[in-house]
Amino acid sequence: KAGVTQTPRYLIKTRGQQVTLSCSPISGHRSVSWYQQTPGQGLQFLFEYFSETQRNKGNFPGRFSGRQFSNSRSEMNVSTLELGDSALYLCASSAPGTAYNEQFFGPGTRLTVL
Amino acid sequence: GDSVTQMEGPVTLSEEAFLTINCTYTATGYPSLFWYVQYPGEGLQLLLKATKADDKGSNKGFEATYRKETTSFHLEKGSVQVSDSAVYFCALSRSQGAQKLVFGQGTRLTINP
Repeated sequence: KAGVTQTPRYLIKTRGQQVTLSCSPISGHRSVSWYQQTPGQGLQFLFEYFSETQRNKGNFPGRFSGRQFSNSRSEMNVSTLELGDSALYLCASSAPGTAYNEQFFGPGTRLTVL
Repeated sequence: GDSVTQMEGPVTLSEEAFLTINCTYTATGYPSLFWYVQYPGEGLQLLLKATKADDKGSNKGFEATYRKETTSFHLEKGSVQVSDSAVYFCALSRSQGAQKLVFGQGTRLTINP
């Protein structure tokens, strides 16, 4: 079974631009979560989507948004990029009814904001 | 709010040494506890998990026991290998409905031959 895939793997943008990152979950998984990883703040939860609905949200500004499609693929968007948005963005998927909240992570998208 | 605290890194050991990475948590109720590992240039991989008090998670020679009384989930391995060099994250999840992991800050482990 293929793992979680994320595209693109690397991205360079300039301040003020916007960016869209994509995540394809493991087949059959309906929950997709997004995390931001930075050296200073570590791993922080952004949001989670389940069956096309945002089910949980972390403490990030409204510039960070996401959506999920009917095939469970998810995108996250960051508008008006700031230097501090440079990070590794990880998505994770999990199966419905998973008892232990086990999440499977993709390799991440490395975003650099110049 | 919920939080996870790991021992400060980096940790450097010689091959075949004993490893302990401390992890304590703050959360109400009975969270599920996890150890994830991140190899250079890769995403996170689940190493082991425990879902209730006194459960022991184990995988690839690593072990961790869910201690409710000390709110701890320390990671141990009896004999480390060079291939164990990575960053290790302790994490918790409170709700079985919503998938949200709260991570510790990570501990970078380097094993020298």
